[in-house]
Amino acid sequence: SQQGEEDPQALSIQEGENATMNCSYKTSINNLQWYRQNSGRGLVHLILIRSNEREKHSGRLRVTLDTSKKSSSLLITASRAADTASYFCATDASTGGFKTIFGAGTRLFVKA
Amino acid sequence: NAGVTQTPKFQVLKTGQSMTLQCAQDMNHEYMSWYRQDPGMGLRLIHYSVGAGITDQGEVPNGYNVSRSTTEDFPLRLLSAAPSQTSVYFCASSYRSTGGNEQYFGPGTRLTVT
Repeated sequence: SQQGEEDPQALSIQEGENATMNCSYKTSINNLQWYRQNSGRGLVHLILIRSNEREKHSGRLRVTLDTSKKSSSLLITASRAADTASYFCATDASTGGFKTIFGAGTRLFVKA
Repeated sequence: NAGVTQTPKFQVLKTGQSMTLQCAQDMNHEYMSWYRQDPGMGLRLIHYSVGAGITDQGEVPNGYNVSRSTTEDFPLRLLSAAPSQTSVYFCASSYRSTGGNEQYFGPGTRLTVT
């Protein structure tokens, strides 16, 4: 079964609003990453947070990590229509080899 | 740099046929992997490689073979195609470090098995 589970599965907001997506995982991890996928295209890396970090920022993105709850959140502030995409979390387990496992994703739709 | 390239972009196979999906990267990355993406399922890891000559199974390896004879290339072979293998296939590569790995993805191969 997949390591990461995103919530919600789909999110629709107005341009200018903030979008928050959550990810839960099952096993201990070395790091957690967030990726974006525009329709029909490959995934693009957004941000990586290590297991010893609690919060990280990159432009309009803010990621938090709570290893005690095995969860992470991705916040996109002041969303734009161009942010419309699917967002995936991915985890590298701390044991079990070099596997990066993806969640099912959150589909974000930003209305202009 | 071309990054990660995949061929073909689209392929239709009949049940029982075999084929090879090609993947190449020009970034000298050690780590390469294959994923399949089905609607609502996210990406599932098929096989991965941590360097030339070294491969290992992911979450859904059955029906697929891989080999890694060079750093640049990581082909995925479908041995006897089945309708359940209809999916979009993505190849990815990364330079792994203890701090984590940003994966670079190819554009994908859309495979239909009839």
